[in-house]
Amino acid sequence: EVQLLESGGGLVQPGGSLRLSCAASGFTFSSYAMNWVRQAPGKGLEWVSSISGSGLSTYYADSVKGRFTISRDNSKNTLSLQMNSLRAEDTAVYYCARATSLHWYCDLWGRGTLVTVSS
Amino acid sequence: EIVLTQSPATLSLSPGERATLSCRASQSVSSYLAWYQQKPGQAPRLLIYDASNRATGIPPRFSGSGSGTDFTLTISSLEPEDFAVYYCQQRSNWRLTFGGGTKVEIK
Repeated sequence: EVQLLESGGGLVQPGGSLRLSCAASGFTFSSYAMNWVRQAPGKGLEWVSSISGSGLSTYYADSVKGRFTISRDNSKNTLSLQMNSLRAEDTAVYYCARATSLHWYCDLWGRGTLVTVSS
Repeated sequence: EIVLTQSPATLSLSPGERATLSCRASQSVSSYLAWYQQKPGQAPRLLIYDASNRATGIPPRFSGSGSGTDFTLTISSLEPEDFAVYYCQQRSNWRLTFGGGTKVEIK
């Protein structure tokens, strides 16, 4: 079955760190760029970061640049998001999403993992 | 950064009615625009890509149109399962942006 499964969310204090993972199955993971998209409670969708299929190119929203790092391990079909210096405004459900080849539309989504930043 | 503005914020309609949702870009995105549907507690689902192409498994009552800065998602006859929030999305300069969403609710 083609699917994405996120893990690693939880409660963390402001200034803390968390590492999210996304396990991919059912497709050739290395052939696809991948996105992280988040959604704060009751709010809309916000793009966080993208990574090329090879992992050589990475991109970040201004709101997370310098604090978050996206990476991938194509041998393990796993996407990761290392989140440091977390703030209350980072509280959200984080989705990993597969990107289509040309324009990086999100054609496959995981169920999401909730990150709560609070003291 | 290209900003996407969706209207209306909320659309109150009855099953069987036609829904017309708008997405306006702050500058041209050519035809490189997607639409997503999100139901409560679920991840978004890709409906339309490249402005007018239905994604795999999307029923024909969903259609997209437009190019440049003005785009429309039309649901020809609302089914009960279509009441949800809809987002448009584009990519430019290696960043994605989403519109604020339109909630289609039961009248």
